[in-house]
This record gives sequence, structure tokens and C-alpha cells, in this order.
Amino acid sequence: GAVVSQHPSRVICKSGTSVKIECRSLDFQATTMFWYRQFPKKSLMLMATSNEGSKATYEQGVEKDKFLINHASLTLSTLTVTSAHPEDSSFYICSATGLDQPKYTQYFGPGTRLTVL
Amino acid sequence: AQSVSQHNHHVILSEAASLELGCNYSYGGTVNLFWYVQYPGQHLQLLLKYFSGDPLVKGIKGFEAEFIKSKFSFNLRKPSVQWSDTAEYFCAVKGTTDSWGKLQFGAGTQVVVTP
Repeated sequence: GAVVSQHPSRVICKSGTSVKIECRSLDFQATTMFWYRQFPKKSLMLMATSNEGSKATYEQGVEKDKFLINHASLTLSTLTVTSAHPEDSSFYICSATGLDQPKYTQYFGPGTRLTVL
Repeated sequence: AQSVSQHNHHVILSEAASLELGCNYSYGGTVNLFWYVQYPGQHLQLLLKYFSGDPLVKGIKGFEAEFIKSKFSFNLRKPSVQWSDTAEYFCAVKGTTDSWGKLQFGAGTQVVVTP
């Protein structure tokens, strides 16, 4: 149980275009979802926290107009990278927690590799 | 400033050797502590967590960790590693006042177990 999926697993796009990444909880209701960015050889950096039906809360230094997060249902959150540039190339990972899951245990998706040309 | 430090970035050891990965944190307040593992090509999985009580926590796959409050440490141990323990290990901290469960991760330690 407690499976989180992400789609797509990798995406290549041109500079200036927008890319949407989906994060789904497959077998539980995800009341809270988190979006991370992972740089090579570095840790996961929390970008934002989203609660179902509410606006996302962004970490300091993360541009909310560039990284649009929507959490419209208890099983789906989306991250849209708008007007992507090469410096946005990274590995994006989502995670989710739910009320019927062990408290504060995050279940992670497999990640999405974004390459901006 | 809040921080999580993992002492070793890369560890190589032979099968059956013992493993200990260090994790220290700097945080204003009480914390919950976690170790996550990422096997090659897979997503992060929870190994173990500490919220309160017995500071020696046992997790999956024979791992354990000890919370030493006075040292702000939460080191991960396994008495005898296997080749399948090759992975990246992340220590993470959550402040107990945070109701959403936000985690701050250490930089990770890449562990390679040779046959």
C-alpha cells in the first residue's frame, strides 16, 4: 500500500515552454503533498507544501509564479514549471501523506527528470 | 539556522561489514527524526523514524538508529550489510511544531557494498 506515482518519468522541453508534472496517490487519500527538487549529488530541497483544496505554501526562494502547484483532489497534485529555462533542469520528486497513514510518514513518488534545452 | 548534516558522502564496504552512518541536526526545538533509503532506480522509502520513547529505534531490513539528544545525533546502524544495501541514505528532521510534516533532509550518503 501507500503508492505514489509521477508522470511523466522524464521530459525534455524547449526553453520558454511550460511543463506539467503529475503526482498521484494510488491507494490512499493524500491530504498533504510535498514537492521537492533534487540536484545531482545533493539533497532534496523542499519547494512547496500543498494541502488538498488550499493554496500551496512555498519555501523561501521558490518562485510561486514559476512553479505552479495545484492540489485539487485527494489523489492528485500537479506542478507546472512555467516558461522553463535550462536552469530549471532537475529531478522533481513529490511525496504525500494521508490521515489514514502513519503520522508524518511521507510516501515518495519515483521522480520526474526535467531537461530544458 | 536549521540544518541536517550527514558526515559521510560516500561509503564503500564489504558484505558482512558493519555500517554506521552519522547524522547531526541543528534545530530550535524538539524534533522527529527519520532515515530514508533510495535504492538504485527506485523512489525513497522510509527505513525508520523516531518520535519519542526508546531512543533506540529498529527499522526495516535490519537497520536501527539511536537518538542521542545531548549530541543532536541520530546515527543509523546495521551490524552486517549485504550487497542489496547498496543505496543512498538520507537523514531527515521534522520540527514537532510543524503540523504538516515538512521534512528537512541531509545531503545523503551513498553506500556501496561490494561482494
